[in-house]
Amino acid sequence: GAVVSQHPSRVICKSGTSVKIECRSLDFQATTMFWYRQFPKQSLMLMATSNEGSKATYEQGVEKDKFLINHASLTLSTLTVTSAHPEDSSFYICSARLANNEQFFGPGTRLTVL
Amino acid sequence: AQKVTQAQTEISVVEKEDVTLDCVYETRDTTYYLFWYKQPPSGELVFLIRRNSFDEQNEISGRYSWNFQKSTSSFNFTITASQVVDSAVYFCALLGTRGYNKLIFGAGTRLAVHP
Repeated sequence: GAVVSQHPSRVICKSGTSVKIECRSLDFQATTMFWYRQFPKQSLMLMATSNEGSKATYEQGVEKDKFLINHASLTLSTLTVTSAHPEDSSFYICSARLANNEQFFGPGTRLTVL
Repeated sequence: AQKVTQAQTEISVVEKEDVTLDCVYETRDTTYYLFWYKQPPSGELVFLIRRNSFDEQNEISGRYSWNFQKSTSSFNFTITASQVVDSAVYFCALLGTRGYNKLIFGAGTRLAVHP
């Protein structure tokens, strides 16, 4: 299947700092990528849809000024958690959808905010 | 509204037992897709299967099999002769094609296979 990478895999930061997470499609171009958040022992919750060359679409309840998404190329989307706080600690997962509706996920980034 | 229900929160079995994970979905779309993903302790989601709404054939892949029944809006997943390596959280997901065409996940079922 298609390969999606994420970097970093794990990050620990101090409260108030910003953290950028990269999501790359390695062997295909993705006009649309998705960002999910998963709290411990919970399901994946869609945060936003990242569209190449245009603004991201955020799900209800997700603060777009706090979670900045940039989809600058067909193979790269970034999620920046601005002024992170301990409650933002979570597992962030990106995915990319192929034309046949198969959706492949990155390995995830575990964010810990102290 | 679209919804996926995985009523089994946790299942514990002994190796070599067969186990079925239930998935019930709701959608008004006539065309939709159903998925199963495996999430091992490492956290990475592993794609297992995609099924479109017009294909009700059951599928078997090795020890894995899937039973799709539109009449009951269910897409159940069976692991035959379970192994310890099958221990993971399994998610069922739904993708609609009209309106909200984004992947929606069920709550997941945590499967523990004991030696």
